[in-house]
Amino acid sequence: SQTIHQWPATLVQPVGSPLSLECTVEGTSNPNLYWYRQAAGRGLQLLFYSVGIGQISSEVPQNLSASRPQDRQFILSSKKLLLSDSGFYLCAWSGDSYQTEAFFGQGTRLTVV
Amino acid sequence: TQLLEQSPQFLSIQEGENLTVYCNSSSVFSSLQWYRQEPGEGPVLLVTVVTGGEVKKLKRLTFQFGDARKDSSLHITAAQPGDTGLYLCAGAVGNQFYFGTGTSLTVIP
Repeated sequence: SQTIHQWPATLVQPVGSPLSLECTVEGTSNPNLYWYRQAAGRGLQLLFYSVGIGQISSEVPQNLSASRPQDRQFILSSKKLLLSDSGFYLCAWSGDSYQTEAFFGQGTRLTVV
Repeated sequence: TQLLEQSPQFLSIQEGENLTVYCNSSSVFSSLQWYRQEPGEGPVLLVTVVTGGEVKKLKRLTFQFGDARKDSSLHITAAQPGDTGLYLCAGAVGNQFYFGTGTSLTVIP
C-alpha cells in the first residue's frame, strides 16, 4: 500500500533563517506531488505541484520554492523565512491517471519567530 | 485559481441532530472530493464523486454532486461527537486539486 511521510511535524524558526521540509511517498511510482499551506481552521492553498522529476509548477508567487530531485521526493524550501510564512504545511500525492484523489501527509506546523 | 465556497463556515449542533454542508463554485470540476481533518493532522479522504447528479452514501453520511458538476453537498444524519472536525471539499481540474474554505463542525454530546 502507498504511504506518505512528511517531516518534521513541528518547527520553530527565526525570521531570516532557511527552511527545508521534506516529503516522500512509498508504494507508488510517478506520483503527482503537491505542497499546500493551511491557515488555522481554513481551507488549503495550493503552493506547488509536480508531475515528474524536476517539473515544478507554482500557483502562488512567494518566498518559497519547491524541488523534486527524485521521483517520490518533494522538498519545500526558503532561503529567508518571513513571519508570514508561519502556517501548517501539507504534502500530498495523487496517481498519475486522470481523476484520482489526493492523499495527505501528517503536516508540518511551522512557526516563524 | 478555482474558488470553492463552503457554508456554513462554523456549525455547532447537539448529538443526534442532522446537518448539511454545502460546497459551491462557478467552475466545473471533473470530480469532487470530501475530506475530514482533525486538528494537527492531514485531511483524510471520505469520498469522491465523479458523475453529475451522483449520490454516494457512507454510513450516516450522504454526498451529492450537482448536475452541472459545480457544487456538492454533505448531509450527516444523527450526528455523533466523533463526527467533530473540519470538513473540506476539493474540486479536481486535470491533475490539480482546489480546496474549499472549510466547515468546522462541533457535535456536542
